[in-house]
Amino acid sequence: ETGVTQSPTHLIKTRGQQVTLRCSSQSGHNTVSWYQQALGQGPQFIFQYYREEENGRGNFPPRFSGLQFPNYSSELNVNALELDDSALYLCASSLELAGYEQYFGPGTRLTVT
Amino acid sequence: AQKVTQAQTEISVVEKEDVTLDCVYETRDTTYYLFWYKQPPSGELVFLIRRNSFDEQNEISGRYSWNFQKSTSSFNFTITASQVVDSAVYFCALSAFQDYGGSQGNLIFGKGTKLSVKP
Repeated sequence: ETGVTQSPTHLIKTRGQQVTLRCSSQSGHNTVSWYQQALGQGPQFIFQYYREEENGRGNFPPRFSGLQFPNYSSELNVNALELDDSALYLCASSLELAGYEQYFGPGTRLTVT
Repeated sequence: AQKVTQAQTEISVVEKEDVTLDCVYETRDTTYYLFWYKQPPSGELVFLIRRNSFDEQNEISGRYSWNFQKSTSSFNFTITASQVVDSAVYFCALSAFQDYGGSQGNLIFGKGTKLSVKP
């Protein structure tokens, strides 16, 4: 086990609703990254937080937003859900920014109907 | 642009066979890191190995070995004497040290290779 936890495990939402996913990073890790993994695809980078600041963002619209808290846990918020947002959302923590391996949580499976 | 290509979508082998998973990467950076992750049916990505661009030494860990060749931009993964428990999707990933439009530390994944090991 990596020590990275995510909640909830599964979630079903209706198109247009909003959702918040949570992640607790591994002890001692100050960097959290979020990824979206569609079925049969590799994970796609959403954004990364380093010491409570957004450090970079992938090709996702502004309705995907996040936060990192002083204890380095993190939230991913998605507004105005669309059917294509249905995916596995993975959170990963690492010791520092570039070059360090990222340890992943079990993911949150989001289904939008 | 940075890119990771895993040309093998699915591979099926019989237990005890050796199998090699291919990974080809593209980057303009001179400093970068390469990774392999395993994703079993449970869904959680499991870290296997990290290599930096300055270390081309091959690595062996038990039945696993990795061959990094900068000349061909490849970072291949071999499982020797495969076992049923090796069945999973394997991802190769790249992380650049310099910021070329993304975070300094985000991982760029290939599409994965699904390995099925039959008894």
